[in-house]
Amino acid sequence: AQTVTQSQPEMSVQEAETVTLSCTYDTSESDYYLFWYKQPPSRQMILVIRQEAYKQQNATENRFSVNFQKAAKSFSLKISDSQLGDAAMYFCAYNGPGGSYIPTFGRGTSLIVHP
Amino acid sequence: ETGVTQTPRHLVMGMTNKKSLKCEQHLGHNAMYWYKQSAKKPLELMFVYNFKEQTENNSVPSRFSPECPNSSHLFLHLHTLQPEDSALYLCASSQGYGGEWYEQYFGPGTRLTVT
Repeated sequence: AQTVTQSQPEMSVQEAETVTLSCTYDTSESDYYLFWYKQPPSRQMILVIRQEAYKQQNATENRFSVNFQKAAKSFSLKISDSQLGDAAMYFCAYNGPGGSYIPTFGRGTSLIVHP
Repeated sequence: ETGVTQTPRHLVMGMTNKKSLKCEQHLGHNAMYWYKQSAKKPLELMFVYNFKEQTENNSVPSRFSPECPNSSHLFLHLHTLQPEDSALYLCASSQGYGGEWYEQYFGPGTRLTVT
């Protein structure tokens, strides 16, 4: 079975600085998708960024970028120039054929942004 | 409306009540999901529907009864709940099997309190 591990229950960062959230996963598949979702307090969970495993280039979306290390099964999220609005719970997720395309989520990392 | 909507947003019910949660997606997706999100616990997948057919029932107690009349609507019927069922219930949708599952789109959730 696929597993997704987020080893940091909580992280904090100063406004305007950079923070990296860690995620590791376990799969025997070669083609799959990885995602980072953001869930602000009392607000809707939204997709932040997506990475397709067959693409070697790391995905980026404005201030958000990933470091995808396929061999190491690592998928970290880097947030640059952190803003107060980035404070949220961040979930790493895996989706692929091995799990019958049912997503597997990590336990989440709570990001605190200090002004 | 766009995206995924859920009603009601908040629900308080007694253990002997019967109530229903409603989810609607306006994205043309074919797969819909129910999740339970409790404090300090991982996101729990409850049910998955793909093209109106239930493809996943994650050992959910029978006091939760899902219904998917079409690809755009998903219900969760509740009866004789327990206090431990108090949680945020999230609905999500995705393109579904037969195409690419890709990412999920989440609704805002229903905050359920069982008294």
